[in-house]
Amino acid sequence: DAGVIQSPRHEVTEMGQEVTLRCKPISGHNSLFWYRQTMMRGLELLIYFNNNVPIDDSGMPEDRFSAKMPNASFSTLKIQPSEPRDSAVYFCASRLGGADTQYFGPGTRLTVL
Amino acid sequence: QQQVKQSPQSLIVQKGGISIINCAYENTAFDYFPWYQQFPGKGPALLIAIRPDVSEKKEGRFTISFNKSAKQFSLHIMDSQPGDSATYFCAASKGGSQGNLIFGKGTKLSVKP
Repeated sequence: DAGVIQSPRHEVTEMGQEVTLRCKPISGHNSLFWYRQTMMRGLELLIYFNNNVPIDDSGMPEDRFSAKMPNASFSTLKIQPSEPRDSAVYFCASRLGGADTQYFGPGTRLTVL
Repeated sequence: QQQVKQSPQSLIVQKGGISIINCAYENTAFDYFPWYQQFPGKGPALLIAIRPDVSEKKEGRFTISFNKSAKQFSLHIMDSQPGDSATYFCAASKGGSQGNLIFGKGTKLSVKP
């Protein structure tokens, strides 16, 4: 299995621009998570989907952030407009229903200038 | 409010030594405590996990010790190897492994040859 796939791996953009991060979970996994990792705040859960439905978005920092999961094999995290403080590594993870383990993707390193 | 506190931030150990990383939690409803290992440029990967019905769990050179009354748990890496050099995160969740993970801020371990 290819594991969780994220794209792009690196993104550099200017403040005010829209950024879209993409994630393909492991086939058959029905839970998907978006995390943000920074030095200051560590690894934080942004949003969690189960069977393509958002279950908990309490970690989404503000209205500039939105996430969608149109089908079981694809999810996006969008930031509009982006700000320098959004610079971080964003991880997507997936989990098979009932299983313990969340499998993380390689992450997208976002830099907002 | 930091629900899972991890220490130390960084750790240097000689090859063959024992690495010990500690975590403390506040929420007594937490009932699943995993440790994740992250290599540079990669996403975190589950290393070992424990539930509060046992005080210790061992997998190879990795052992979790759990103290429910003190609300603390620790990771011990026996016979530490240079290949163990990575960042380690403790985490906790309620609702078992199906709950949302709250991560500690991580410990960067360097094992010197």
